[in-house]
Amino acid sequence: GEDVEQSLFLSVREGDSSVINCTYTDSSSTYLYWYKQEPGAGLQLLTYIFSNMDMKQDQRLTVLLNKKDKHLSLRIADTQTGDSAIYFCAENRTGRRALTFGSGTRLQVQP
Amino acid sequence: ETGVTQTPRHLVMGMTNKKSLKCEQHLGHNAMYWYKQSAKKPLELMFVYSLEERVENNSVPSRFSPECPNSSHLFLHLHTLQPEDSALYLCASSQDWRNDQPQHFGDGTRLSIL
Repeated sequence: GEDVEQSLFLSVREGDSSVINCTYTDSSSTYLYWYKQEPGAGLQLLTYIFSNMDMKQDQRLTVLLNKKDKHLSLRIADTQTGDSAIYFCAENRTGRRALTFGSGTRLQVQP
Repeated sequence: ETGVTQTPRHLVMGMTNKKSLKCEQHLGHNAMYWYKQSAKKPLELMFVYSLEERVENNSVPSRFSPECPNSSHLFLHLHTLQPEDSALYLCASSQDWRNDQPQHFGDGTRLSIL
């Protein structure tokens, strides 16, 4: 398909792990990104992974990349209420001058 | 603090008004972008500037007019807008316009058209 696809909503309990999934479109994308958007704010770059990597870990965040399936995931360990936000994945699609974003996954963390 | 500042944060205007959105980046980047974020729609790229030169206009209506006087400042001039133009307008910057560079976003201007 043409779209970067994400599920719309995820609800977890505080302290659990969250896994947000994304399917991208261009197998030649060299970088894949995760952004976080809190209410009333812009998009904050969380992390990104180069396409020749399978995994990248940064404190509580783990990014997994499956190039064969064009599947990207973001795992947040020990999810906190402050992690409640919308999470966007993005790819640098060949021939486009800017990143292509998914529609975002709203993460709700319940106490 | 992302290094990208947008003003105003909120703007309410009538359809016949003229107003401008301002974006300033303090990151030393050479590329700047305008995006439109509407409810329940993916982020829409509007314009891309590289070193003050417009390198992409993504089929945006002429009632939106961008201006980039230098690599640190970007404006979006608005006139005769429609109700469907109500949205969050986000500015971003990156080191250059090659799309393998991460983009850094401002907090946006929430625009409401009466």
